[in-house]
Amino acid sequence: SQQGEEDPQALSIQEGENATMNCSYKTSINNLQWYRQNSGRGLVHLILIRSNEREKHSGRLRVTLDTSKKSSSLLITASRAADTASYFCATGGLLYGNNRLAFGKGNQVVVIP
Amino acid sequence: GAVVSQHPSWVICKSGTSVKIECRSLDFQATTMFWYRQFPKQSLMLMATSNEGSKATYEQGVEKDKFLINHASLTLSTLTVTSAHPEDSSFYICSARDTGAGGVQYEQYFGPGTRLTVT
Repeated sequence: SQQGEEDPQALSIQEGENATMNCSYKTSINNLQWYRQNSGRGLVHLILIRSNEREKHSGRLRVTLDTSKKSSSLLITASRAADTASYFCATGGLLYGNNRLAFGKGNQVVVIP
Repeated sequence: GAVVSQHPSWVICKSGTSVKIECRSLDFQATTMFWYRQFPKQSLMLMATSNEGSKATYEQGVEKDKFLINHASLTLSTLTVTSAHPEDSSFYICSARDTGAGGVQYEQYFGPGTRLTVT
């Protein structure tokens, strides 16, 4: 079942600007992860935030998690053309003890050089 | 480290034939692997959880007799699409968890995907 559901957005921004995308989910989670997918390729793990964390940084990425609102945001600062990709959030629980991930719809980000 | 490969990267087959897709964890062991399918401009949908040495766990609505999964070793899982039809054309992606990682490991490592086209 799909738990992570971000508003399917298509963002088009200029290089150097910041890109923000959101994700909402419906059930309790253990963690929330963000992944990037370049067109026709596999997924690359970007960052994981646990349910007891509120904010996390990794390089130019900043992720927030609000468990009371069941939502998360991903901010990419100082965007680059290479950041052009689809970004998915995925929620992880401990369903059946094997930590399946439920992916959201994805955000298409285009960074214009 | 933590590389997952898939083979083939793309395949074209005729309707009614079967196609096998391999997923390998190259530098770690994975007792659990996952198979997803993704239609154009859509998200990933989990098809099944592949468990080494035991039967796969299929998601609701996924035909286990059509999508055969075999996880015969700690580094290899295969997905066989049997009697393929054009509607099975999709992007199939596998992922794996590092069983040997210390503590609880949540991160999944994804393969590059296999593009299946059924004519």
